[in-house]
Amino acid sequence: GAGVSQTPSNKVTEKGKYVELRCDPISGHTALYWYRQSLGQGPEFLIYFQGTGAADDSGLPNDRFFAVRPEGSVSTLKIQRTERGDSAVYLCASSLDRSSKEQYFGPGTRLTVT
Amino acid sequence: DQQVKQNSPSLSVQEGRISILNCDYTNSMFDYFLWYKKYPAEGPTFLISISSIKDKNEDGRFTVFLNKSAKHLSLHIVPSQPGDSAVYFCAASGADGATNKLIFGTGTLLAVQP
Repeated sequence: GAGVSQTPSNKVTEKGKYVELRCDPISGHTALYWYRQSLGQGPEFLIYFQGTGAADDSGLPNDRFFAVRPEGSVSTLKIQRTERGDSAVYLCASSLDRSSKEQYFGPGTRLTVT
Repeated sequence: DQQVKQNSPSLSVQEGRISILNCDYTNSMFDYFLWYKKYPAEGPTFLISISSIKDKNEDGRFTVFLNKSAKHLSLHIVPSQPGDSAVYFCAASGADGATNKLIFGTGTLLAVQP
């Protein structure tokens, strides 16, 4: 079956611009996670959705970052007033439900802020 | 504060031999541990996991060992194959009961030489 998909695969934007990154989880998975991976590091947690609601947004670095999941499936990560330090690979993962421990990752979106 | 540590940035092994990747953690509240494999330009792929109530889990060529008293886990790959060459991430969850967010180590690059 189809895995987690993310679009775009690459995004280059200028400092100060607004970007949206999209995640389409595995069909039927109710839990969705966003992570960010910088060079030489492991993925770092940003936000967790259970259904439509953000159950844990403790990893969002500041209020320029926001994410939504209005219908409990596709999620969009939104970054306002981008900074060069936001450059990273943004990964989305989904799992079957809130009790499932294994998370399945998409290929990521590589964001470059110039 | 790095709660999950992979102290070996890289490991080189001959094809057919055993690969042993190590991971240490500091938070005794972690109750579930996972290993992910990552190829360049792809998202992490779930490999194998272990609950803190067990000390070993095996799946084909992959075995994960957990030593809770030492806060240490290891992934054994036997026999190693060139296709196993990738970055391996150790991850832990359960420190925050509200979510299953994963805390990752920095990864170990495994190179299996033919």
